[in-house]
Amino acid sequence: DIQMTQSPSSLSASVGDTVTITCRASQSISSNLNWYQQKPGKAPNLLMYGAFILQSGVPSRFSGSDYGTDFTLTINSLQPEDFATYYCQQSYSTPYNFGQGTKLEIK
Amino acid sequence: EVKLVESGGRLVQPGRSLRLSCVASGFTFENYAMHWVRQAPGKGLEWVSGVSWNSGNIAYVESVKGRFTISRDNAKNSLYLQMDSLRVDDTAVYYCAKPAQARPGSFDHWGQGTLVTVSS
Repeated sequence: DIQMTQSPSSLSASVGDTVTITCRASQSISSNLNWYQQKPGKAPNLLMYGAFILQSGVPSRFSGSDYGTDFTLTINSLQPEDFATYYCQQSYSTPYNFGQGTKLEIK
Repeated sequence: EVKLVESGGRLVQPGRSLRLSCVASGFTFENYAMHWVRQAPGKGLEWVSGVSWNSGNIAYVESVKGRFTISRDNAKNSLYLQMDSLRVDDTAVYYCAKPAQARPGSFDHWGQGTLVTVSS
């Protein structure tokens, strides 16, 4: 099974800041990497697939990068609605494991 | 509009069984694989199981193999998860998830979730 290691587990930032979340796959996943945002009590929402392709309707302040088995999610100019928990997930092979999550909190 | 509505979650004792259902609408259900993802209280997301459009390919996370059975009825636009020999650590919100077109493991639509609580 492919393990996904996400860091940090939590992050404090202010509105207007830029933050980066990292996800590492235990083996090559050929850019089959997704990012989700989840708010309390709600289902996850797909932000990005293919490591850096924005899902329709997702603001352009979200961006992704692919460094082989390391991936990043960057959020520029944080908005109040961005404070949530973010998960990476590999969709290369089953089980489609998720990272542990990063809780982004307001400083 | 794509809609996924789960049902069947409730409080159940360890060792008992439960069947979850997910009714889909707003897309051609028979064209898509479908999946179950769960989230234990206060914890992260865990992919549980997936079934191909024609039920020809099925996969499970190791922890539920031999206990859970995924199935679907394309005529009823429905996905199911039969959960047997339930354990306390199966307690979670169970989500039904639809993959994006041409992106098999990228879930672009989710249900609201149904809570399964396993406790004596």
